[in-house]
Amino acid sequence: AQKVTQAQTEISVVEKEDVTLDCVYETRDTTYYLFWYKQPPSGELVFLIRRNSFDEQNEISGRYSWNFQKSTSSFNFTITASQVVDSAVYFCALSALNSGNTPLVFGKGTRLSVIA
Amino acid sequence: DTEVTQTPKHLVMGMTNKKSLKCEQHMGHRAMYWYKQKAKKPPELMFVYSYEKLSINESVPSRFSPECPNSSLLNLHLHALQPEDSALYLCASSQQTGGWDNEQFFGPGTRLTVL
Repeated sequence: AQKVTQAQTEISVVEKEDVTLDCVYETRDTTYYLFWYKQPPSGELVFLIRRNSFDEQNEISGRYSWNFQKSTSSFNFTITASQVVDSAVYFCALSALNSGNTPLVFGKGTRLSVIA
Repeated sequence: DTEVTQTPKHLVMGMTNKKSLKCEQHMGHRAMYWYKQKAKKPPELMFVYSYEKLSINESVPSRFSPECPNSSLLNLHLHALQPEDSALYLCASSQQTGGWDNEQFFGPGTRLTVL
């Protein structure tokens, strides 16, 4: 069975602070993919990143960075110098090669509020 | 073009009405999905179409009826809904359902209210 845990339900930070959103996953598959999506108040889920299980290289994209550690089954997301526009719900998700019927398993999401 | 469009944006319907939600993508994706999302919850998968054939039905009540007329279009027909069906309905598409090209791109959703 696949499972994604986002233990932080809500986080509130002041603008320009750095913030890390945690994601821990469970799967028995050796081939799997991890994703982060952003859902602003408008409702649309915006794809941010995909990582496959064979690539543990960390990634940086502007103010966003991702730390993938197979040893701890974690795929954490850091926003540097946060901005009000970063306020949204962030979902971590998992897709395993032999996931059976569910192509994408979502965590419960972390609501990030960035205060000016 | 990485856009998935959905119409309408908002829909209010009575329990005896019949309505349809529409979704369209022009990215050449061969997999399309319907999700239901209640407030403060993650999206819940309802249906998956792969190459225009229904491949997954997550035990969704028959009052929801999906249809995939062609590889770019996905409909969700609604009939005799209940107030608890009020939610945000999201459509998504991906190149494939599994393997490398599996990232899903989502539409803006239809916010449905059942009175």
